[in-house]
Amino acid sequence: RKEVEQDPGPFNVPEGATVAFNCTYSNSASQSFFWYRQDCRKEPKLLMSVYSSGNEDGRFTAQLNRASQYISLLIRDSKLSDSATYLCVVSQGGSNYKLTFGKGTLLTVNP
Amino acid sequence: EAGVAQSPRYKIIEKRQSVAFWCNPISGHATLYWYQQILGQGPKLLIQFQNNGVVDDSQLPKDRFSAERLKGVDSTLKIQPAKLEDSAVYLCASSPPVYEQYFGPGTRLTVT
Repeated sequence: RKEVEQDPGPFNVPEGATVAFNCTYSNSASQSFFWYRQDCRKEPKLLMSVYSSGNEDGRFTAQLNRASQYISLLIRDSKLSDSATYLCVVSQGGSNYKLTFGKGTLLTVNP
Repeated sequence: EAGVAQSPRYKIIEKRQSVAFWCNPISGHATLYWYQQILGQGPKLLIQFQNNGVVDDSQLPKDRFSAERLKGVDSTLKIQPAKLEDSAVYLCASSPPVYEQYFGPGTRLTVT
């Protein structure tokens, strides 16, 4: 089983749609969770951290279920500029802060 | 603030040749990472340095890959000899300890 698994995608949605990405992780010792965004031919950039209580940043909402080892990202009112690959990322924490990335899910928002 | 710098941005080599990539992290960042990202995959950690010491190189193919960070600042990643399956983007990232990692633009390697 892969350490971090994401919806395979790709997702094609119209502007204004709500889209949800799902992710599961295998290591129950994982401590930190993130969503990164990667534009085509660009480097990954941190979109948001994911907290146990759930957290929201504008149109983006991230949730974590430790019992199910499940992470989600919801994008509301999607914009053309949201088109990118969304990477689910997990860290075991500790002194080395190693990040383990999922394969990513490609989102295309269409006019 | 200047970001993570990498060079070259693109490299095309034939299999069995050698290649080296360079990374200059954000000033003051003690931790430096090299990742390999194959097309359609997420980045995979190859090696992590804390200052000039190796913290994790468990996924580095040590028979052909090597990396160093001699003075705790710049780092180089070398592949010798290259194989077709090494075609990928090589990303360097840096961070203060236990904080967000900042990625460089990457080096796109094509092995023919």
